[in-house]
Amino acid sequence: DGGITQSPKYLFRKEGQNVTLSCEQNLNHDAMYWYRQDPGQGLRLIYYSQIVNDFQKGDIAEGYSVSREKKESFPLTVTSAQKNPTAFYLCASSRGSGTGAYEQYFGPGTRLTVT
Amino acid sequence: AQSVAQPEDQVNVAEGNPLTVKCTYSVSGNPYLFWYVQYPNRGLQFLLKYITGDNLVKGSYGFEAEFNKSQTSFHLKKPSALVSDSALYFCAVRDRGNRDDKIIFGKGTRLHILP
Repeated sequence: DGGITQSPKYLFRKEGQNVTLSCEQNLNHDAMYWYRQDPGQGLRLIYYSQIVNDFQKGDIAEGYSVSREKKESFPLTVTSAQKNPTAFYLCASSRGSGTGAYEQYFGPGTRLTVT
Repeated sequence: AQSVAQPEDQVNVAEGNPLTVKCTYSVSGNPYLFWYVQYPNRGLQFLLKYITGDNLVKGSYGFEAEFNKSQTSFHLKKPSALVSDSALYFCAVRDRGNRDDKIIFGKGTRLHILP
């Protein structure tokens, strides 16, 4: 999972509470991503950022928010507006620049359970 | 629009036999193609990628993949399977013409290597 840390590994929250998932990388990568993984659905993109102080919605951004104040950090907040937040969340980074076949490097993931 | 299909949810192979995990893609332009592997409760690990040139790409852990432009396929192969290859495998594609850094993942194929 080289160079990308996500914390915590497991997270439990009550319904109606906002929760923030941490993602930090020391790879000096420009681009960072948040994915949600549910069984049988592969990876779905929530938000991504190609540069500091800029980010774009992915395919399932509703109920989530992000910030990119530092190059190495891209925290994800799961808000109470997210209808079904229980899932495995993966953060990734890549050299990225808008061109090039840059592979993504993934963190170990955070499993969020909301009851 | 970009898309990736992994037609098999699960593939079972006896240890020592060759394995193939199938992937087909659709992009409007030319593709960058990737394979990743995921072990239980872990992030994804990059295996290999196709950029251009030789249609047979070699990657980590003895895996290789063959790019076939006419069939729009990028199947993952290994000549002799190991029990430790059992995992979830994801194919991914990016259209070279896109300026964003998004890549599209397939739903994944679970590979079981039988001892």
